[in-house]
Amino acid sequence: GAVVSQHPSWVICKSGTSVKIECRSLDFQATTMFWYRQFPKQSLMLMATSNEGSKATYEQGVEKDKFLINHASLTLSTLTVTSAHPEDSSFYICSARDNRVNLETQYFGPGTRLLVL
Amino acid sequence: SQQGEEDPQALSIQEGENATMNCSYKTSINNLQWYRQNSGRGLVHLILIRSNEREKHSGRLRVTLDTSKKSSSLLITASRAADTASYFCATVSSGNTGKLIFGQGTTLQVKP
Repeated sequence: GAVVSQHPSWVICKSGTSVKIECRSLDFQATTMFWYRQFPKQSLMLMATSNEGSKATYEQGVEKDKFLINHASLTLSTLTVTSAHPEDSSFYICSARDNRVNLETQYFGPGTRLLVL
Repeated sequence: SQQGEEDPQALSIQEGENATMNCSYKTSINNLQWYRQNSGRGLVHLILIRSNEREKHSGRLRVTLDTSKKSSSLLITASRAADTASYFCATVSSGNTGKLIFGQGTTLQVKP
């Protein structure tokens, strides 16, 4: 159980376009979802925390107008990279948690690799 | 923001040897977790140790936690080539909403 999927697994886009990444909890209800970014050979950096039905909380230095997060249901959160530029190329990973069950455990998706040309 | 550092940054050993990775952190924590990441993949949760625990075992994994030194170690015994991956510690700070803050990671290579 506790499977999290991401779609797409990889995407290549032109500079200036917007890209939407989906994160789904397949067999549990995710009251909270987290979005991370990972550059090559580096660690995961938390971008934002989203609770179902409310606005996301962004980490310092993350532009909320550039990285739009929507968590409209208990099984789906989306991250939209708006007007993507080559420096946004990265590995984006989501995780999900059911706060009503366990505050300690996050389940991670397989990640989405974004390449902006 | 990064919570702390891991060392070594890279470790190369022969199959059958033990691998030890260390993690330091800066703030008071609720728990500390270790994850594995194979190249280009998502994270796999390995083990969680709470702030009131000092040592925990899971199969070939042994984790220690020293809250006075704000440090943790992960020991993998009898390593296998399949253990080749990056290993990250992540902390959940006291009083926050359960955000995970990751360390820099250790890249482990186990040679067959």
